[in-house]
Amino acid sequence: AIQMTQSPSSLSASVGDRVTITCRASQGIRNDLGWYRQRPGKAPELLIYSASSVQNGVPSRFSGSGSGTHFTLTISSLQPEDSATYYCLQDSNYLLTFGGGTKVEIK
Amino acid sequence: EVQLVQSGAELKKPGESLKISCKGSGYSFSSYWIAWVRQMPGKGLECMGVIYPGDSDTRYSPSFQGQVSISADKSINTAYLQWSSLKASDTAMYYCAKQSLSGPGSYSWGQGTLVTVSS
Repeated sequence: AIQMTQSPSSLSASVGDRVTITCRASQGIRNDLGWYRQRPGKAPELLIYSASSVQNGVPSRFSGSGSGTHFTLTISSLQPEDSATYYCLQDSNYLLTFGGGTKVEIK
Repeated sequence: EVQLVQSGAELKKPGESLKISCKGSGYSFSSYWIAWVRQMPGKGLECMGVIYPGDSDTRYSPSFQGQVSISADKSINTAYLQWSSLKASDTAMYYCAKQSLSGPGSYSWGQGTLVTVSS
């Protein structure tokens, strides 16, 4: 099974800061990767697909990059509403695997 | 509009059986893989398995093989997740998610079904 290692597991940053979250795959997954935001008590919502494509309606401060085994999610200017847990998801094979999550807190 | 509507919260006792559902609308239900995802209290997301409703091709993650059963009835656009004997450790939120047309890594999600197993 493909393992996804996500880092950091948590971070605290100020409004306006640039934030970067990383996922590494245990084997190459091309660009078969999405990034999701999950607010407490809610279902995950798609931010980025195909590693770097921004989902319709997602603010432009969110961007994704990478291919193969190394991927990043960047929030260019952190906003209060970005306080949430973020997950990467790979679907290179039939079975999805998720990163462990990054909890983002606002200082 | 694509929608996945899941059945309501359940409170069950250990040893009881349970079947929860996920009804799709707004798209060709038979043509897209559906995943079931577990989220235990305060924990991350885990894929339990996936099903292709068109031919019921089903794949289970190793941790969940033999522990649950995934099925689908394409005539009523509904996927199911079933337990034959619940344990307290099955207490979790369960989501269904549908592969999206946007591209790799894109999924639409149901609202979740909270399953609580307690004596």
